[in-house]
Amino acid sequence: NAGVIQTPRHKVTGKGQEATLWCEPISGHSAVFWYRQTIVQGLEFLTYFRNQAPIDDSGMPKERFSAQMPNQSHSTLKIQSTQPQDSAVYLCASSSPGTGGAYEQYFGPGTRLTVL
Amino acid sequence: GDKVKQSPSALSLQEGTNSALRCNFSIAATTVQWFLQNPRGSLMNLFYLVPGTKENGRLKSAFDSKESYSTLHIRDAQLEDSGTYFCAADFAYKVIFGKGTHLHVLP
Repeated sequence: NAGVIQTPRHKVTGKGQEATLWCEPISGHSAVFWYRQTIVQGLEFLTYFRNQAPIDDSGMPKERFSAQMPNQSHSTLKIQSTQPQDSAVYLCASSSPGTGGAYEQYFGPGTRLTVL
Repeated sequence: GDKVKQSPSALSLQEGTNSALRCNFSIAATTVQWFLQNPRGSLMNLFYLVPGTKENGRLKSAFDSKESYSTLHIRDAQLEDSGTYFCAADFAYKVIFGKGTHLHVLP
């Protein structure tokens, strides 16, 4: 089992460009989570899919950020018109469904996004 | 305020000594996970807990849902234990992370 795969590992964009980050969950896991990590804010929840359906996007910035999960094997996080404050490590996690909403999450290595 | 508060925020330990890290929750949590983030940034799973305790080698963790806290005990600390320890609590599927404890084990 390869674990959660995230690509690219590093991405550098210019201000105003678009960035698309990819996540491949562990095979058989039906839940996918996206987080953002910065020194100042720590680990912040962004959005969550279960069985490919968006369940909670309350952590997503209202503008420029969108996430999709078109099939069981991958999810994407797209940032339009990137800004320097979007620079962060973006982490994807997957899990198997538990009972009562409980999930043990497994994280990918992250994508370090740098916006110049 | 923070729903998940970790303490201490930073800690230096002499190799071979013991320590305890703590997470306090302001609201009821269903489960707790503990992770170690290594210097490369990878988050490694340490424990996944429903109320109760688990032990793995030199690590032991407990989750008391009634008192709303969890602890991670490190016995006989080794250099490779250095990194940032995060707890994450599940509040009805939304997982919230603490700000982490930066642990430095000294030779």
